[in-house]
Amino acid sequence: EAAVTQSPRNKVAVTGGKVTLSCNQTNNHNNMYWYRQDTGHGLRLIHYSYGAGSTEKGDIPDGYKASRPSQENFSLILELATPSQTSVYFCASGDGGLGDYEQYFGPGTRLTVL
Amino acid sequence: GDQVKQSPSALSLQEGTNSALRCNFSIATTTVQWFLQNPRGSLMNLFYLVPGTKENGRLKSTFNSKESYSTLHIRDAQLEDSGTYFCAADLTGNTRKLIFGLGTTLQVQP
Repeated sequence: EAAVTQSPRNKVAVTGGKVTLSCNQTNNHNNMYWYRQDTGHGLRLIHYSYGAGSTEKGDIPDGYKASRPSQENFSLILELATPSQTSVYFCASGDGGLGDYEQYFGPGTRLTVL
Repeated sequence: GDQVKQSPSALSLQEGTNSALRCNFSIATTTVQWFLQNPRGSLMNLFYLVPGTKENGRLKSTFNSKESYSTLHIRDAQLEDSGTYFCAADLTGNTRKLIFGLGTTLQVQP
């Protein structure tokens, strides 16, 4: 079973502040993803990465940056947090090789921007 | 949500009964994943499917790529099956992005 951890699990931030959400995976997966989950929208892809040093825009990247400093770590950065970014954020990893692209999700981070 | 449509949006079952959830795709899809989000919010992997059928205990899932749909059958529903079931399409191509449906919320009643 893949292991993906996220920190913090809960975060309260102020409007205009900087927020960094961290994700770590111990399965040596090449691909990592950040999604947000909102009622009525399901899960939507924000940024993803193919490996250390790479970041790609997903479907809703505005207001977010990402950083992949190593194979294991992938961060989501909100430089100027806004209340519309209040959501639950999920990190995932995938690409187990041999054509198996199953994604495994972390436990989520609940972010509230006041 | 428009590219991956799940039905029904909500469902209530008596313990011990059977049901089927459906996912229709309007995009070319290579593989499908099914997840259960439990009441604590964690996403549990249920199935990863190429075209075909997989079974795991009381759960069985089929992905028909030609007709662009997937189904999840629950047999002998138990209280612990309650939660929200999501299907997600893995798009044709190299990005390996998942497009999620809006989910089916299942409540199993004693």
